[in-house]
Amino acid sequence: DIQMTQSSSSFSVSLGDRVTITCKASEDIYNRLAWYQQKPGNAPRLLISGATSLETGVPSRFSGSGSGKDYTLSITSLQTEDVATYYCQQYWSTPLTFGAGTKLELK
Amino acid sequence: EVKLVESGGGLVQPGGSLRLSCATSGFTFTDYYMSWVRQPPGKALEWLGFIRNKANGYTTEYSASVKGRFTISRDNSQSILYLQMNTLRAEDSATYYCARDGHGRFAYWGQGTLVTVSA
Repeated sequence: DIQMTQSSSSFSVSLGDRVTITCKASEDIYNRLAWYQQKPGNAPRLLISGATSLETGVPSRFSGSGSGKDYTLSITSLQTEDVATYYCQQYWSTPLTFGAGTKLELK
Repeated sequence: EVKLVESGGGLVQPGGSLRLSCATSGFTFTDYYMSWVRQPPGKALEWLGFIRNKANGYTTEYSASVKGRFTISRDNSQSILYLQMNTLRAEDSATYYCARDGHGRFAYWGQGTLVTVSA
């Protein structure tokens, strides 16, 4: 199974910050990487797939990058509505696997 | 509009069984793989398995954690996805989501249904 490691389980942020969340796969996943945003009580929302492709309706302040095993989700100028937990997920092979999540909290 | 609505969650005793349903609409159900994903309270998402689409013979794959205990099926005439859960354990307590599987990515999710396994 491919393990997905998100290096930070949480960190404190301020409005307007640039935020970078990292995700590392245990093997090459050939850009088959998705990012989700989840707010309490809600289902996850797909933000980015193919490591870099923004889903329709997702604000352009979100972006994804990376290749091989290492991927990042960036948020420029953090807004209140971006405070959430973010998960990466690989879909290169089954079982499909998620990272443990990175929770953003306001300072 | 794509809609997925889960039902069937609740309180069940350890060792018991439960069947979850996911009623779908707004898309051609038989064209898509469908997955179940769960999330224990305060914890991460876990993919449980999927059932393939018509073109791929409606075959299934499961995660190791539920293989042999859980069964995914679909009623294509009514566009409903099912998750039959047997021999339930306390660690199966979670919110269970169905999701439309787009080549391994999940753009559409239900609202989730809570399963609690407790005596």
